[in-house]
This record gives sequence, C-alpha cells and structure tokens, in this order.
Amino acid sequence: DGGITQSPKYLFRKEGQNVTLSCEQNLNHDAMYWYRQDPGQGLRLIYYSQIVNDFQKGDIAEGYSVSREKKESFPLTVTSAQKNPTAFYLCASSIGGGRILNYGYTFGSGTRLTVV
Amino acid sequence: AQTVTQSQPEMSVQEAETVTLSCTYDTSENNYYLFWYKQPPSRQMILVIRQEAYKQQNATENRFSVNFQKAAKSFSLKISDSQLGDTAMYFCASYTGANSKLTFGKGITLSVRP
Repeated sequence: DGGITQSPKYLFRKEGQNVTLSCEQNLNHDAMYWYRQDPGQGLRLIYYSQIVNDFQKGDIAEGYSVSREKKESFPLTVTSAQKNPTAFYLCASSIGGGRILNYGYTFGSGTRLTVV
Repeated sequence: AQTVTQSQPEMSVQEAETVTLSCTYDTSENNYYLFWYKQPPSRQMILVIRQEAYKQQNATENRFSVNFQKAAKSFSLKISDSQLGDTAMYFCASYTGANSKLTFGKGITLSVRP
C-alpha cells in the first residue's frame, strides 16, 4: 500500500547535537512538506519541496535544513542552531504542480523529538 | 499571504448532541480549497471534509457538514450525533495553487462527554 513513512517515532537528542528525521513516500508525489506542531501553535511549515533538488523555506525554517535528492525522500535535519527543538514533527506529501487531490495531503505518523 | 483563524481553543459536547467548530480564513485568491482535518490521540492526521471555493453547495460527509460563507470567509464544521470517537483536535486549513501549500489554523480540542 502507498503511504508516507516517518522514522523514528520517538527521538531523543542531546543539546548541541544535530539529528535527522526521515520521511519516505511511495505515492509518486512531487511535493513534500515538513510541519512542526507545538501545543497551542497548530501546524507551522518548516520547509517544502515541489520538485527534486529544489526546496523552499517555510515560516519557521531557522535552525533546520532539508535535502531532496530523490523524489521519495525528504529528510529534515534539526541543527544545534534550533533553540527549542522539542516538538512533534509531521511530514506530508501531495501531488504537486499547483494541484491538490480530494484528500489534500497524505501525512506521516509523525516523530516526537525531545531534547535531553 | 493566507491566514486561518480558529479562535476557540477548546470545546466540549455531550454524546449524541451537535457541535459547531468555527474557522475564518483570509486569502486574495479566487480559487482555493478548504479542509477540516482531525487529529485523534494517535496524532495521525485524518481528512474530515473538503470544500472547493467555487462550489456554492456546502460539503457533507455523513455526520460532518460545513457552513461555507464565502463572502464572510467563514468555514465552520458541524458534527451531528457526536460520538466518543470524535474526541480529537480539529484543524481548519486552506490551500491555493498559487503557493501550493496548506496553511493551518491553531486547532481546537474537542471533547465528547459520555
């Protein structure tokens, strides 16, 4: 079955370390997105990519980096520059090209990142 | 820029009753889409209902329906015959092809009481 896989489900990071969150999709979607979810803040866009080898900053990109070397994969790196990285991170994909299907985005199951 | 506002952080409803969740949005685009997503305790995002701005008729999906007021830029979700499984966080979102991204509201936590 097609879908999005995020791993790991839970991730613990020591202060000063970089960590990478994985997001893989087999839906043949062109567009992929990373959102951060905090209590009372809703979902805020970190980065998005409409096509391979291209990506754009979202609303809260500082302290994060991404790559899009393959259509299926859009990993997110949380760098030591991110001052408050503890949050729930959601990856999503869509058909892209300025279009959206009836169901909107397909979402992964999320990664909970905690700084220890 | 698009904005989506959900002004009620929490609501509670008795099982079997009806509840309405409010959402307003702002966009300069003529063609856009509006969504309600549900996020249960598992945190998996689930699409509840979708509305296309150019359609006059309000969308309906079983117990879920919307009241789409385009001029007022309002997109409320009505849940009829509330069930315990409706307990979740609900997000309103808007999408335009111009910027190709979903913009979410802050969400509302709905509790259904037995």
